[in-house]
Amino acid sequence: KNEVEQSPQNLTAQEGEFITINCSYSVGISALHWLQQHPGGGIVSLFMLSSGKKKHGRLIATINIQEKHSSLHITASHPRDSAVYICAVDTGTASKLTFGTGTRLQVTL
Amino acid sequence: GAVVSQHPSRVICKSGTSVKIECRSLDFQATTMFWYRQFPKQSLMLMATSNEGSKATYEQGVEKDKFLINHASLTLSTLTVTSAHPEDSSFYICSAAPGTGNPFEQYFGPGTRLTVT
Repeated sequence: KNEVEQSPQNLTAQEGEFITINCSYSVGISALHWLQQHPGGGIVSLFMLSSGKKKHGRLIATINIQEKHSSLHITASHPRDSAVYICAVDTGTASKLTFGTGTRLQVTL
Repeated sequence: GAVVSQHPSRVICKSGTSVKIECRSLDFQATTMFWYRQFPKQSLMLMATSNEGSKATYEQGVEKDKFLINHASLTLSTLTVTSAHPEDSSFYICSAAPGTGNPFEQYFGPGTRLTVT
């Protein structure tokens, strides 16, 4: 079993839909990262959080440390949101990240 | 702010040659840089951690003599793939951690796609 599990693996949504991507982890963490990887491969850091909730534009990330679970929400989804979303946890050991396998999101018109 | 660049973005080389990939933090100093490798449809895998002025720490299974890492300054780390083979073809990504502020922050480069023919 992977230390970081994401669901769903693939997600197709219509433009405007509210999207939720989930991340569960089995280890103690210092921080959790949500990353976005576009088809070209480049990675953008969306959020880093260790408690509570963060919001940036249409993106919201939450984390529940007790339940070892985090969610990434996208409101009013748009085709440009199509990408792979990756959850990564920092276990506090020299900031080494452990990555989930990613959720491939496709938003259609 | 917090921009990390990589050069080149794509490189094709012949089997047996060496390739150098640069990772630069453009607007901050990075005491620690990380090198990752990503095969198609797979997640990122950490190869090594480099701290400025000291030897890199390699993950288990990563050959340090094949993947040479140099972190000579607070804004530059290089990864040299020596005697490259087709199985080294992959997407290589670096990230950089600032030495100040939130200790868990990391900023990722855009990646370098290496193809060995």
